[in-house]
Amino acid sequence: EAGVVQSPRYKIIEKKQPVAFWCNPISGHNTLYWYLQNLGQGPELLIRYENEEAVDDSQLPKDRFSAERLKGVDSTLKIQPAELGDSAVYLCASSLEGGAADTQYFGPGTRLTVL
Amino acid sequence: QKEVEQDPGPLSVPEGAIVSLNCTYSNSAFQYFMWYRQYSRKGPELLMYTYSSGNKEDGRFTAQVDKSSKYISLFIRDSQPSDSATYLCAMSAGGNKLVFGAGTILRVKS
Repeated sequence: EAGVVQSPRYKIIEKKQPVAFWCNPISGHNTLYWYLQNLGQGPELLIRYENEEAVDDSQLPKDRFSAERLKGVDSTLKIQPAELGDSAVYLCASSLEGGAADTQYFGPGTRLTVL
Repeated sequence: QKEVEQDPGPLSVPEGAIVSLNCTYSNSAFQYFMWYRQYSRKGPELLMYTYSSGNKEDGRFTAQVDKSSKYISLFIRDSQPSDSATYLCAMSAGGNKLVFGAGTILRVKS
């Protein structure tokens, strides 16, 4: 069974440019998460989807970040415009349902560098 | 102060040693406790999961939760070079939101 797929794996952009990350969750997983991981830190939740619905986006900086999950499968996270402080690893995870005991499976992440 | 505190290390041990990794937390509502392992340039993978207090053993790994002290531990017996990674504790109050520690870098020398 394929795991969570993310692309691109690495992205280097100039500040003020837009950037988008794509995630394909494990087949059949209803819940999808986007996390931000800064160097030397643990992942921090940005947004969680239950099917197509964003049920927790309280930590998503909505002035520059947006996300969508069309048809309840793939998801895209966008930053426009990017700032130097956005340099980090963006992780996507999925779980079968959304319960606290439900295992979250993480993708390899997209490493963003903003110059 | 962060909700979950974890010493970032690095922790360097010889092969075969017993490793002890720890986290403390401040939110008494946390009920679900996990340990994730993250290799360089990879996403975290779930290693151990414990609900409420107590011990759980899986092969060379033992997870302990002491809710009275708000302290959780992961023990690795007979450590191997392949165990070299960052170990992240994570916990949840029962909803879907996981709160992670900063991670401890472990290096097992052969």
